[in-house]
Order: sequence, then C-alpha cells, then structure tokens
Amino acid sequence: IAGITQAPTSQILAAGRRMTLRCTQDMRHNAMYWYRQDLGLGLRLIHYSNTAGTTGKGEVPDGYSVSRANTDDFPLTLASAVPSQTSVYFCASSRPGANVLTFGAGSRLTVL
Amino acid sequence: GQNIDQPTEMTATEGAIVQINCTYQTSGFNGLFWYQQHAGEAPTFLSYNVLDGLEEKGRFSSFLSRSKGYSYLLLKELQMKDSASYLCAYMNYGGSQGNLIFGKGTKLSVKP
Repeated sequence: IAGITQAPTSQILAAGRRMTLRCTQDMRHNAMYWYRQDLGLGLRLIHYSNTAGTTGKGEVPDGYSVSRANTDDFPLTLASAVPSQTSVYFCASSRPGANVLTFGAGSRLTVL
Repeated sequence: GQNIDQPTEMTATEGAIVQINCTYQTSGFNGLFWYQQHAGEAPTFLSYNVLDGLEEKGRFSSFLSRSKGYSYLLLKELQMKDSASYLCAYMNYGGSQGNLIFGKGTKLSVKP
C-alpha cells in the first residue's frame, strides 16, 4: 500500500535516552518533513529535506537531528530526550511540483 | 510564533452550513491550504487556493482573498463525520517546498 509508514506508533522514554523515530515512504516523493503536534500549538515543522542528501531546519529544530541517505527514509533522532519533547510526531512528504503534504499516521512519544 | 489565526472551537448542527475563518500575515505568500484531522489520526488534505476566489469541491469550498490575508472553509450539509479539527496553513514563497505554516486548528463539533 503506497504511503508513509512511521514507527514506533507509541513509545514511552526515560529522559536522557536516545530515540530514533523512523519514517519510510514508497511514493518516490522528493521532499520529506517532520512536524510535532502539541495541544494548543498546532503543527510545527522540526526539520525538512527537499531531496536525498539535503536537510534543513524548521521552526523548532533544537534537540532533534535528521538524515536523508536515500529518497525513501527520513529518520528523526532525539539525542538526549527531555520531557518537553513529549508530543505526537508526524512525518510527511510531497512530490515534485506539488505542495500538498501526505502525512504518516504519527508517533506518540512520552518522555518521563 | 507564526502569523496565522483561526478560531479554536466551533459547534454546528447536522445538515447546516458552517464557515471556518482563517487570517494570516506573511510577506511572501504562495498558497493557502486546508487540512482535516480526525481525533487521533493524521491530517488529510482538503483544499488549496493560490489565487483569489472560491474553490468548490463537493460539500466543501474554500475561499481566498490575498489582499486581505483571509481565507475561509465552507462546509455544507454537515454530517456527523465532519466532526474534526480543520487546519489552515500557508506557504511562503521561496520557502522549502511544502514548508507549511499551520494555524492551531479549529475543532468542529457537529451535533444532531
């Protein structure tokens, strides 16, 4: 089934631990994004990648890193998780020439 | 924060019409999007306006006035399944492809 797959669906994590959220798409979209969604704040862009091999910072990049080794995968890493990173994380992608985002189902992360 | 604003919550009756407004301020506008998000799910694309005027798509229509920095989403013949959050988002010209700035969302409750 074409689309975006995120893993894990949900995770509880101790503060200070390292965590990688995985995102894979099979639509051959060139651009990929990571958003976090918090109650009362809406969706905020963390990092993006316009094409494989390039990445950029969004609105709230601190504490997060990304890589884009190939077209399909765009993992998000929290090097040392903090409670303020408790959120729902959405990965998204868009195809060349189009601005419409396709979202994954989300990963709910709780940092204690 | 970002300069985009929409009401937090709205309530409407099944079968009625509801209009959700969105205002934004940006110097390099390149399109206005509406997404629908049911509780616990990913956002899904509803509509896209880049030029002034009304775009109609079945029961849903979206309007844009670039000079006023204003858009609305019109939902007709409301159904219970329309209960969801509606996210307004704009894209800045010259920004990352698909790099959208989202409002905080309007939670719509449709009552019998």
